Amino acid sequence: DAGVTQSPTHLIKTRGQHVTLRCSPISGHKSVSWYQQVLGQGPQFIFQYYEKEERGRGNFPDRFSARQFPNYSSELNVNALLLGDSALYLCASSPSGSWYEQFFGPGTRLTVL
Amino acid sequence: EDQVTQSPEALRLQEGESSSLNCSYTVSGLRGLFWYRQDPGKGPEFLFTLYSAGEEKEKERLKATLTKKESFLHITAPKPEDSATYLCAVQALRLGSQGNLIFGKGTKLSVKP
Repeated sequence: DAGVTQSPTHLIKTRGQHVTLRCSPISGHKSVSWYQQVLGQGPQFIFQYYEKEERGRGNFPDRFSARQFPNYSSELNVNALLLGDSALYLCASSPSGSWYEQFFGPGTRLTVL
Repeated sequence: EDQVTQSPEALRLQEGESSSLNCSYTVSGLRGLFWYRQDPGKGPEFLFTLYSAGEEKEKERLKATLTKKESFLHITAPKPEDSATYLCAVQALRLGSQGNLIFGKGTKLSVKP
C-alpha cells in the first residue's frame, strides 16, 4: 500500500513569491496535518484538516493557508515568502479527526532565496 | 504551556553499546506520547504510541517506556543502521489538539561499527 505522498520533492523560490505544496494521504485516511520543520528542530504544527474542514491551527501567520479536497488530498499555500520560510514541510495522515497516530510523508524541501 | 524536552541532543555509541534516550514532557492532559525515527532529509517514521504511565512497547532493539513526566527509549545492542534522529511528541487531550503533535528537538544517534 502506498504511504503518504507529497509533491514536489524540492522547491526553490524567491522572497515575495507564492508556493503551493500538495499531499495525498494513505488510502482510507481522512485527516491531514501539516508541519514545518526547520533544520535542527522538531516539526511544528501548522494545520489539521478533516472532512474538508479546518480542525486545528498552529501559531503561524495568515500567509499560511490550506485546504482539503473531497478525495482527502490537501494543499498548503504560503504567500509572500520570507527567507525564514525555508524548511522541510511535512504532511501527516491519520484515519479520522480524532486522536490517532499520524503517518508522515517524505516532505517537501522549500528553499527561499 | 505544552512542552517536550529531549536529552541528550546527540549520542554516539559503539555497536553493541546499549543506552537510553530521554523525553521529558509537560502537557495539560496527555492523550498519547509518540516516538518517531527520522533519517536525514526524510519524513519521520512512526515507532510507538504510549498512552498511560507504566506502559511499555518493544520493537526489535527498541523499547519505549512511559512515566507521568517522562518517557525513555532504550536501545539494546545497537547496530549502525539504528543511526538516525529520534523524535518524541505528545498529544494533548483537548478539542482542537487532535491533529497537533508537539515535538521535541530530537536526539541524534550515531552508532559506530
